[in-house]
Amino acid sequence: EAQVTQNPRYLITVTGKKLTVTCSQNMNHEYMSWYRQDPGLGLRQIYYSMNVEVTDKGDVPEGYKVSRKEKRNFPLILESPSPNQTSLYFCASSWSSYNSPLHFGNGTRLTVT
Amino acid sequence: EDQVTQSPEALRLQEGESSSLNCSYTVSGLRGLFWYRQDPGKGPEFLFTLYSAGEEKEKERLKATLTKKESFLHITAPKPEDSATYLCAVQATGANNLFFGTGTRLTVIP
Repeated sequence: EAQVTQNPRYLITVTGKKLTVTCSQNMNHEYMSWYRQDPGLGLRQIYYSMNVEVTDKGDVPEGYKVSRKEKRNFPLILESPSPNQTSLYFCASSWSSYNSPLHFGNGTRLTVT
Repeated sequence: EDQVTQSPEALRLQEGESSSLNCSYTVSGLRGLFWYRQDPGKGPEFLFTLYSAGEEKEKERLKATLTKKESFLHITAPKPEDSATYLCAVQATGANNLFFGTGTRLTVIP
């Protein structure tokens, strides 16, 4: 089944404790992206990747890192999480960045205390 | 600056009561407008892409239309299973990302 898989689904952590949210897709998509979703603000892009070893900042990149060493994986790294990063995070992928529908994972709900 | 405004924020309909959701957008040049459906606890699911004014697309009880300033998602004779949040997103010319609206939360009452 074609899908984008994120782990974990739920994560509670403390301020400053490094964490990684994994994302994997099995559709051989070139484009991958991370979004956060907050009430009243909608989905906002954090980082995206056009292909392996190519990443770029989205609209809200501060406090986040990503890497794209393999085509299928696109982990999101929070090196020193803060409470304002408490949010619902979605990974998405598509064939290209050009008019190609995004396929989303089921989200990771992160709480930073 | 790209902007997407969806209205209403929430909509309650009786089963069978048709209505429309609105997505107003401002972009320097439109590459594409996307509609997604999001169920609670899940990621958004793609519905339609519209590229140019006058274009229409249909899927079951849903029909999306596009003008130069807005898009409508028409829901004909909705059923309870159509209850979800509907998201609109635009991609500007030359952009590598989508800009999302905050969505319309639709509830269809049996």
